[in-house]
Amino acid sequence: EAGVTQSPTHLIKTRGQQATLRCSPISGHTSVYWYQQALGLGLQFLLWYDEGEERNRGNFPPRFSGRQFPNYSSELNVNALELEDSALYLCASSSGQTGGNTIYFGEGSWLTVV
Amino acid sequence: DQQVKQNSPSLSVQEGRISILNCDYTNSMFDYFLWYKKYPAEGPTFLISISSIKDKNEDGRFTVFLNKSAKHLSLHIVPSQPGDSAVYFCAAMSGGGGTSYGKLTFGQGTILTVHP
Repeated sequence: EAGVTQSPTHLIKTRGQQATLRCSPISGHTSVYWYQQALGLGLQFLLWYDEGEERNRGNFPPRFSGRQFPNYSSELNVNALELEDSALYLCASSSGQTGGNTIYFGEGSWLTVV
Repeated sequence: DQQVKQNSPSLSVQEGRISILNCDYTNSMFDYFLWYKKYPAEGPTFLISISSIKDKNEDGRFTVFLNKSAKHLSLHIVPSQPGDSAVYFCAAMSGGGGTSYGKLTFGQGTILTVHP
């Protein structure tokens, strides 16, 4: 069974541009989560989608947005890129929105802003 | 406000011995706890979890203990193997609503090194 898959693996963008990252959850999972791990920092919660709706959001500016498609895949958009957006972006999925459901992570997408 | 803390940045253990990684939390709404293993530049790999209705969960060499009154959990790895060398994160979440609903809050991580 395939795990959480993310694309692209690496992305280089210029400051001010937009970046789009994509995620396919584990088959049967309806919840998708996005996390950011910037250099030297811990894993920070960005967004949670379940059944196509945004369920919770971390302390990030509105230029971080995303959506979940009917097939439960998701994309994360980062607008007006800033240098400090350079980070590993991790997508995760779980089988439901209640506690007790294990959250599995993908390998991440590296975003570099120059 | 660090709601999940791993106070030991690193731990060094001899192969075959027990590794004990500790984690403390402050948010009493947390009711589900997970441990992940992570290598640099890779995504976290799920190891083991525990619900707040339990105080122990075992899976092979990994055992997690939860002390709700102390708001403390620990991961025991027995016996430790060189392949266990990685960064270990504990994470907590609330399934009952509120701002922590569905959101994993991670500790800072502990670097485990298992020497042959």
